[in-house]
Amino acid sequence: EPEVTQTPSHQVTQMGQEVILRCVPISNHLYFYWYRQILGQKVEFLVSFYNNEISEKSEIFDDQFSVERPDGSNFTLKIRSTKLEDSAMYFCASSLTWGEKLFFGSGTQLSVL
Amino acid sequence: AQKVTQAQTEISVVEKEDVTLDCVYETRDTTYYLFWYKQPPSGELVFLIRRNSFDEQNEISGRYSWNFQKSTSSFNFTITASQVVDSAVYFCALSEAVGGTSYGKLTFGQGTILTVHP
Repeated sequence: EPEVTQTPSHQVTQMGQEVILRCVPISNHLYFYWYRQILGQKVEFLVSFYNNEISEKSEIFDDQFSVERPDGSNFTLKIRSTKLEDSAMYFCASSLTWGEKLFFGSGTQLSVL
Repeated sequence: AQKVTQAQTEISVVEKEDVTLDCVYETRDTTYYLFWYKQPPSGELVFLIRRNSFDEQNEISGRYSWNFQKSTSSFNFTITASQVVDSAVYFCALSEAVGGTSYGKLTFGQGTILTVHP
């Protein structure tokens, strides 16, 4: 079965630094998402993306966050100036259409020190 | 606003027991989707099922079955004859269809940690 690929699997950074989390969605999918999961907590929606623009974003997704689809295969999440509370597992997901099942990647564990 | 409640934080069973994971949701929409995802110790989120709000038929897939009851806003998940490999965190999630479509914004419950002992 096709997979959503995320790199790196672990990222450690210093507070205030910029990080870019990378994702390769399933090739024929058109809808892309980022979610995050703080340790021991539920999975939270960050942003959805379609046709090269954000469709919806949550309150968590403030000006420090941005997403981009720089080419035909990658989908990135940038955190401009990381904070301690950004430490979490970040999941990328994609779907063929709206409302269809989301395929999740294995996640990037971000640790902000 | 939509909300998903999984009241059972942790469940522990012995192999071969049946176990039911509860999920109660809140939404104002008449059109929505319900999902169950499994998160094994390795951390990834594995899709189990998607259910449209207009389809109240229960579903069975092998040892898994789902009971969708719109009247009580519940979407419960039963594992029959549980196995050690079923040990994982299970998340119920809700997606509202906005304007006839869904933007893929899943609202997850807190998850239920299932431990199956040999």
